Amino acid sequence: QKEVEQDPGPLSVPEGAIVSLNCTYSNSAFQYFMWYRQYSRKGPELLMYTYSSGNKEDGRFTAQVDKSSKYISLFIRDSQPSDSATYLCAMRPMDTGRRALTFGSGTRLQVQP
Amino acid sequence: DTAVSQTPKYLVTQMGNDKSIKCEQNLGHDTMYWYKQDSKKFLKIMFSYNNKELIINETVPNRFSPKSPDKAHLNLHINSLELGDSAVYFCASSQDWGGVLEAFFGQGTRLTVV
Repeated sequence: QKEVEQDPGPLSVPEGAIVSLNCTYSNSAFQYFMWYRQYSRKGPELLMYTYSSGNKEDGRFTAQVDKSSKYISLFIRDSQPSDSATYLCAMRPMDTGRRALTFGSGTRLQVQP
Repeated sequence: DTAVSQTPKYLVTQMGNDKSIKCEQNLGHDTMYWYKQDSKKFLKIMFSYNNKELIINETVPNRFSPKSPDKAHLNLHINSLELGDSAVYFCASSQDWGGVLEAFFGQGTRLTVV
């Protein structure tokens, strides 16, 4: 079983819809949670990150972390065709010897105009 | 002005060959990484260098050898290429050790072994 699980999709929604992307994880030591967006044939770029539990909002994007359920979410409001990409969650512990990000496998999102 | 640049962008080569991928970052970051992304988009850490020192060396075949001549460069050399090495390889850098702050990725090198 992978440490981080993510539904690969594809998830297809109409323009303007609210999108919910999710990851579950098994390592309770994870404290930092990130969402990366990856366009086709490009490298991932950071969208948002949160520390521990709670919500964080940035424009049309909201990240949520529920550590008790080991579940994180990214919500996209008023989705646009330009949001079509693969969304990767990533996480890492606060302070261990192995301080690199563990990524989910990504969810491919398609926003139809 | 590219922050993290990799060369080449595409690499097609035969089994058994030796090849190198170069990476340079102009962000002044101390930490650099190599990630491998398979066909299912799963992104897995291979190596991490902090100030030219190897910090992470995941379970990858020893045919893969990273080299960091200075803080701004982290190259990846692969010996005796195999079909299973076909993937997209991403170089990344971050200001902090661990990538809590933003990790900047290069555009990737798509390696195809035939």
